[in-house]
Amino acid sequence: GAGVSQSPSNKVTEKGKDVELRCDPISGHTALYWYRQRLGQGLEFLIYFQGNSAPDKSGLPSDRFSAERTGESVSTLTIQRTQQEDSAVYLCASSPTGYNGYTFGSGTRLTVV
Amino acid sequence: AQSVTQPDIHITVSEGASLELRCNYSYGATPYLFWYVQSPGQGLQLLLKYFSGDTLVQGIKGFEAEFKRSQSSFNLRKPSVHWSDAAEYFCAVGERSYIPTFGRGTSLIVHP
Repeated sequence: GAGVSQSPSNKVTEKGKDVELRCDPISGHTALYWYRQRLGQGLEFLIYFQGNSAPDKSGLPSDRFSAERTGESVSTLTIQRTQQEDSAVYLCASSPTGYNGYTFGSGTRLTVV
Repeated sequence: AQSVTQPDIHITVSEGASLELRCNYSYGATPYLFWYVQSPGQGLQLLLKYFSGDTLVQGIKGFEAEFKRSQSSFNLRKPSVHWSDAAEYFCAVGERSYIPTFGRGTSLIVHP
């Protein structure tokens, strides 16, 4: 597609429920990244994909967080048993390589109530 | 480990005035440096980047940034700010690991 697409744009969920966030990168972009942005904070790196492998998962905050990617296309970030501290904007970015800067999606705003 | 400091949480300028947003980094070698802008409700857009070469980098929307190795800085500038420039600005520092570290951001407020 023309840009990085994320869905849903907003998600309100009850504490303890599981959520899935989707990212559609730009076609042909081999690298895909997930970041978390809490209110008033900078971007917190979560996970990086090169193709469908994840060389760096170091940013995932707990084992409740997981992500997968199908080939060089869609990625899904799953948060199990959501907690209130998971409330944030989750941003996805893609890049043809890591050197050129990313193209970001508009994010998914997750609110856990 | 690399780190990025954006010392100003908020900056307020009048429309038409000049702008400088500060970014300092801590890193052992010459890093890759980026500035991104985030408008309300939007994702981040790349304004400009520095990898090597000329230390004065031109970006989109009339922005420029200067890499100063001696000061470990990569400040963003614009000679005349427009009301539409009001947004959050993020500096990022990266390396060959592909994963930059982002600063906490500076919120730009533009008064008419």
